[in-house]
Amino acid sequence: GEDVEQSLFLSVREGDSSVINCTYTDSSSTYLYWYKQEPGAGLQLLTYIFSNMDMKQDQRLTVLLNKKDKHLSLRIADTQTGDSAIYFCAESIRLDGTSGTYKYIFGTGTRLKVLA
Amino acid sequence: NAGVTQTPKFRVLKTGQSMTLLCAQDMNHEYMYWYRQDPGMGLRLIHYSVGEGTTAKGEVPDGYNVSRLKKQNFLLGLESAAPSQTSVYFCASSYSFGFEQYFGPGTRLTVT
Repeated sequence: GEDVEQSLFLSVREGDSSVINCTYTDSSSTYLYWYKQEPGAGLQLLTYIFSNMDMKQDQRLTVLLNKKDKHLSLRIADTQTGDSAIYFCAESIRLDGTSGTYKYIFGTGTRLKVLA
Repeated sequence: NAGVTQTPKFRVLKTGQSMTLLCAQDMNHEYMYWYRQDPGMGLRLIHYSVGEGTTAKGEVPDGYNVSRLKKQNFLLGLESAAPSQTSVYFCASSYSFGFEQYFGPGTRLTVT
């Protein structure tokens, strides 16, 4: 079945780089996403990558996709205390080619703590 | 442009009571979703809708009903609340399947 796995916790010092990792099992993903959830708030899309791309960079964020190993990572450069949050990896999988039905699968989230 | 809004933000119910959670979006999205978030389990899809007047079951639909009478609104109903439905509920919308989802701020529901 489909599954998305993430480590539960990550702690880094302010100014360092953070790397949050995710593995997924379904190779038919079309898009892969990174969401950020701050305390008491909903999920906010940070970035996404098409499944036929290897890398995407957006300011301090770098997404790397290794399709062979089914591994997705999010690198946050110069991590700040405001980056402390839970980060969710997610994928969308096309279920039905004719109807265009997709399924979204979310990981359990990685809680990033940034130490001043 | 408010995005996705949810009401209420908090609610406490007794076992057996009923309630409706309201989700509204102003982005003219066709697709809307209801998720529940439980500790250590990520988000699980309850029901979704691909357009006005349509609904479909997600991963954990039992004990919930939904309606999409207007394109901008997606309602989640609990007919007879159970303690197992204590969770944080998130509504989301997207332009189409596979596109990024926009989430509301969540409703924290406690069933005693």
